[in-house]
Amino acid sequence: NAGVTQTPKFRILKIGQSMTLQCAQDMNHNYMYWYRQDPGMGLKLIYYSVGAGITDKGEVPNGYNVSRSTTEDFPLRLELAAPSQTSVYFCASSKIRGAFSPLHFGNGTRLTVT
Amino acid sequence: GENVEQHPSTLSVQEGDSAVIKCTYSDSASNYFPWYKQELGKGPQLIIDIRSNVGEKKDQRIAVTLNKTAKHFSLHITETQPEDSAVYFCAASSHNAGNMLTFGGGTRLMVKP
Repeated sequence: NAGVTQTPKFRILKIGQSMTLQCAQDMNHNYMYWYRQDPGMGLKLIYYSVGAGITDKGEVPNGYNVSRSTTEDFPLRLELAAPSQTSVYFCASSKIRGAFSPLHFGNGTRLTVT
Repeated sequence: GENVEQHPSTLSVQEGDSAVIKCTYSDSASNYFPWYKQELGKGPQLIIDIRSNVGEKKDQRIAVTLNKTAKHFSLHITETQPEDSAVYFCAASSHNAGNMLTFGGGTRLMVKP
């Protein structure tokens, strides 16, 4: 039972480079989320999806894009990496939206932009 | 929107002592308050949650209390053990925010053997 799987675990990017953070879940959850975690700042929602083909912006979407072509996969795209995007990124999924439904998190991707 | 503040940011206790982490929230319509534990190198994991129609909930050595009037809730860990060392996050959910969770800034708990 893998749960939520994120790849890669670590990545170093140069300013202006692009990359895609991969996220897959095997729990047949409709809802999926991308958060970033900065020291002392908790978790900030970047984008979320309520099902295949449907995505929406969270609190901090600038500089990111997402797609949801299948229930299982929810990749996060960084087009022009900036130092401000240095962070730890977590993907999560849930059975229903937010309230009363636990979030299941992956183990994160630590991204450094230099 | 919702704002969740969490204190303290770091907490060090002796093994066997109790630990208390406190959170305040701003949106009086918030109705769900989960707590997550994040171990080193892992993603956060739900450890306990409480709904707004309940004042206290216990699960073995952990408990959460909620004061809706004052808009604050707390995590209590009794008889702490070294394996309780982790970062703990509180969160709040409000239908005003589409039932999305707003997280506190986290508390790093260190239990000294």
